[in-house]
Parts: sequence; structure tokens; C-alpha cells
Amino acid sequence: AQSVTQPDIHITVSEGASLELRCNYSYGATPYLFWYVQSPGQGLQLLLKYFSGDTLVQGIKGFEAEFKRSQSSFNLRKPSVHWSDAAEYFCAVGADNQGGKLIFGQGTELSVKP
Amino acid sequence: DVKVTQSSRYLVKRTGEKVFLECVQDMDHENMFWYRQDPGLGLRLIYFSYDVKMKEKGDIPEGYSVSREKKERFSLILESASTNQTSMYLCASSLPGGSAFFGQGTRLTVV
Repeated sequence: AQSVTQPDIHITVSEGASLELRCNYSYGATPYLFWYVQSPGQGLQLLLKYFSGDTLVQGIKGFEAEFKRSQSSFNLRKPSVHWSDAAEYFCAVGADNQGGKLIFGQGTELSVKP
Repeated sequence: DVKVTQSSRYLVKRTGEKVFLECVQDMDHENMFWYRQDPGLGLRLIYFSYDVKMKEKGDIPEGYSVSREKKERFSLILESASTNQTSMYLCASSLPGGSAFFGQGTRLTVV
């Protein structure tokens, strides 16, 4: 079955500390992988995406993610977290020709301590 | 700037009412989607459309229908609202093979 798992429901990090949010997927075809962020009461904003090529992808707001096919993972990282990064983060997977038809993970809520 | 607009941010409806959630995109995207978001479950796909007058069921279509009479507009219809349809509803659009752009969401409460 196709699925996305985000093992951490809630993470708290100190401002300035590094961050890694985990994402594992199960997908039969070549996956297109995405990370979205949702601030309270808002819609989803695309942080970054992986379609092909370099397995380390850079996104907006200083985020990056690494695709590891052997581990079926697409973890999101940021070297230094800012208080404004507090939000909910969603990993998603889709097929190459289906645009926004995505399977989402459960989400990880990030809190940032001053 | 790309824009997906949902007509209401908050709605309160009574059980049994017919409810319309409207979504408009200004990016000339072929694909449009309706998701619902519930805590601990992430987003789940209700219906989607790859063209005008075309619709396909997603993972949780029961109790919902959709309408796409024009390319830019995709409506979600709750034929007879029930309390278990209380949720956040998110509309999205994309090009074929492109990234999805999401609206701000409609928080629907059915009482």
C-alpha cells in the first residue's frame, strides 16, 4: 500500500538549534516527494520538492531535504531554527504525471523554544 | 503571484443541510483537488479533477460530490452534512506533473 509516515507527531527545538524532521514513504512507482509547511489557520506552502537528479534539494526559508532511495526516506533539515519556523510540516508523495494528487503524512508539529 | 481562493474561511452548518464549498484558481491550472485535514490524519484526498466537467474519486469520497463547470472553479458539495464532516477543507490546483498550490482552507463545523 502507498503511504507516508512521519514518525514524530511533535518536536520541540531551541531557537538556533538544528532540526531534522523524518519522513518515510512506501510507493510503488518512482516517487515525487514534497515538503509543505502550514502556519496556524493557514493553507499549505511548498517548501521544496524532489523529482529527479541531485538527491539533496534546497528549498525556501533555508530548508533542505535529502532523498535516500535505499531507506525510502526524505528527511527535512535546517541548520539553525528561527522562532518563525514554528508550524506544522507535512511530507507528501505523488506520481510523476498526477500533479497535486498526493499522499500525505500525518504531519509533525514543530515548537521552537526561545 | 499564484492564487487559490476558497470562498469562506469559516462555516457553521446544521446537520442535514446541503453545503457548497467554492474554490477558484487564477493560474489556468488543469488539475484541481479537494482535501480534508484532520488532526493526526494529515490530508486525505476527497475528489479531484483533471479537466472541465471531469471528476474522479479520491480516497474518501463518501458523502461528497463535486462540480467543475469552468476550468478555474471547483466546488465541493456535501449533500447532507453530518457531524463527522466537521473538518478543515483544503482546495489545491496544479499543472499536470507540477506542484500543488493550496488555498487558505475552510474550517467547517456541522452542528
